[in-house]
Amino acid sequence: SYKLTQSPSVSVSPGQTARITCSGDALPRRSAYWFQQKPGQAPVLVIYKDSERPSGIPERFSGSSSGTTVTLTISGVQAEDEADYYCQSTDNSGIYVVFGGGTRVTVL
Amino acid sequence: QVQLVQSGAEVKKPGASVKVSCKASGYTFTNYYMHWVRQAPGQGLEWMGIINLTDDIKSYAQRFQGRVIMTRDTSTSTVYMELSSLRSEDTAMYYCARDGPNNFDYWGQGTLVTVSS
Repeated sequence: SYKLTQSPSVSVSPGQTARITCSGDALPRRSAYWFQQKPGQAPVLVIYKDSERPSGIPERFSGSSSGTTVTLTISGVQAEDEADYYCQSTDNSGIYVVFGGGTRVTVL
Repeated sequence: QVQLVQSGAEVKKPGASVKVSCKASGYTFTNYYMHWVRQAPGQGLEWMGIINLTDDIKSYAQRFQGRVIMTRDTSTSTVYMELSSLRSEDTAMYYCARDGPNNFDYWGQGTLVTVSS
């Protein structure tokens, strides 16, 4: 079955830039989405269609795509950004949803 | 405002079934599909399936085929997810999430299902 691969963890100091990558064979043809999840809370959409930001999401969150890899970038990381981040897309059929394994962002 | 309110926590024995509800409000119920996603303790997000709230067509993740049934009641704007033949590995938080213009745009608060003898 189709998989999306994320690195398990990223550590970053406040004010620095965090980059989280997600790899998958269908990503050149399928949009990617990014979710932030804090402990005890439901996930929140932070990026849709590779690089679009929903209203209410800070500008420091951005997304990009290159080939089979998509990247979530958090510029000027703040303590409140400490969370788990998940990428999501679909397989080539466009029907079956897949989530990456998640990346824990730790703010030092 | 859009809200998805799920039913309360459940404790079930192995082999039993559980039915979780998700009541939608603040928008036209049949305009969007609904997903179900689960998350085992300390683990990642796992997609279970999606239901078209207009024509009742469903697509289920392969690993849940034969064990999950998603239904909807348009008169009460409520979606249901029933999982049968429960085992300990099904202990998880279960979420409904709207398939809005920007994909999973609204999520329920989650329903904890515990499977234990």
